[in-house]
Amino acid sequence: IAGITQAPTSQILAAGRRMTLRCTQDMRHNAMYWYRQDLGLGLRLIHYSNTAGTTGKGEVPDGYSVSRANTDDFPLTLASAVPSQTSVYFCASSEGTSGSGEQFFGPGTRLTVL
Amino acid sequence: GQNIDQPTEMTATEGAIVQINCTYQTSGFNGLFWYQQHAGEAPTFLSYNVLDGLEEKGRFSSFLSRSKGYSYLLLKELQMKDSASYLCAVTDSNYQLIWGAGTKLIIKP
Repeated sequence: IAGITQAPTSQILAAGRRMTLRCTQDMRHNAMYWYRQDLGLGLRLIHYSNTAGTTGKGEVPDGYSVSRANTDDFPLTLASAVPSQTSVYFCASSEGTSGSGEQFFGPGTRLTVL
Repeated sequence: GQNIDQPTEMTATEGAIVQINCTYQTSGFNGLFWYQQHAGEAPTFLSYNVLDGLEEKGRFSSFLSRSKGYSYLLLKELQMKDSASYLCAVTDSNYQLIWGAGTKLIIKP
């Protein structure tokens, strides 16, 4: 089934630990995005990639890093997790770049940092 | 700064009509999206407006006025399954998508 998968579904993590959230799409979309969603706030863009091999910073990039080695995968890494990174993380993709078209979202990863 | 305003929560009755408003102030404009998000799930695309006017798609319609920085999502013949959050998002002049906080719609029988 075409779409976006994310792993893990949920995770409880001790502060200071390193964590990588995985995201894979099979729609051959050029652009991919990582958002965090917190109660009462809109989706906030962490990092994005308009095409394989390139990445860019979004609204809230500090404490996070990404890579885009190929079209399908876009992992998000928290180098040293802090409690303020407790959130629901959504990966998304779109055929066109950035905000030019419909974005398709993965099911999300619920991360708790203690 | 860039800002998108939506009501936090709305309540409506099954079978009725509801209008969810969105006002925006962004650096430039290259389109406006509406997404639906059920609790605990991912957002899904509903509509896209880039020109002024009304776009109709079944029970859902979306309206845009660029001069007023205003959009609304109209839901007709409400069903219980329409209980969800509705997210407004605007593409700015740099083609970055700016998201509103969403409107939680509660449908009562």
